[in-house]
Amino acid sequence: SQELEQSPQSLIVQEGKNLTINCTSSKTLYGLYWYKQKYGEGLIFLMMLQKGGEEKSHEKITAKLDEKKQQSSLHITASQPSHAGIYLCGADGEEQTGANNLFFGTGTRLTVIP
Amino acid sequence: NAGVTQTPKFRVLKTGQSMTLLCAQDMNHEYMYWYRQDPGMGLRLIHYSVGEGTTAKGEVPDGYNVSRLKKQNFLLGLESAAPSQTSVYFCASSYPPPTQYFGPGTRLLVL
Repeated sequence: SQELEQSPQSLIVQEGKNLTINCTSSKTLYGLYWYKQKYGEGLIFLMMLQKGGEEKSHEKITAKLDEKKQQSSLHITASQPSHAGIYLCGADGEEQTGANNLFFGTGTRLTVIP
Repeated sequence: NAGVTQTPKFRVLKTGQSMTLLCAQDMNHEYMYWYRQDPGMGLRLIHYSVGEGTTAKGEVPDGYNVSRLKKQNFLLGLESAAPSQTSVYFCASSYPPPTQYFGPGTRLLVL
C-alpha cells in the first residue's frame, strides 16, 4: 500500500514567519491533496496537485508537487494564528478503483504564536 | 446547505455493545466514505460507497459494517464494539472525485 510521510510532525512558529511542510511518498503520486484540520473538527480541503512540477496558491498558502511526483511541499508565508491546525496530505490509492480512495499522511501539527 | 453532517458527535460504549454512526450529505454526491483517525496513524479508510445500494471495503474494514440505502446517507455499524475501535470517525463525500468533503467527526470511546 502507498505510504505518505509528513515532516515535521509538529511545528511551532512565531506569527509572521514563513514555514514549509513536506509530504513524501514511497510511490508515484497520481494525485496529491492537502487538507487542514482544526483541532477537534473535520478536514477542510485546501488544494489538489496532479501534474509533476505543478504549483498552486491560495491566499498565503502555496503547494508544489515535484517533477518526479513523489514529494509535495506546503509553504505558508507570513503565518498567522488562523493558520494553526493539523495539515494532512492525502494521495490517490495505487489501485484505480474510480472511487478516489485516499491514503493520508499522519499530519503536521502547526502552532502559531502571536 | 449543511454539507456533510455526522451524528452523534460523541459516544461512550461498553465492550460488546453495538451502535450505528450516521453520515448525511445534502450535496447529491455519489461517493461516500468512512475513515477513522488515530494518533500516529493518520486517517484510514474503513469502507466506501460509489452509489446508492453499493458498498466496498477499504483499508481497515474488520469489525465494521456499512449500508447505503439512500444516496444521502451512509451508515457505519459496530456490531460488538471493542476498545481497539476507540477513535475519531470521519465521514466524507465526493462527486465527482477527487475532492472529498468531510464531516466534523464522531468521537467514540469504547470502555
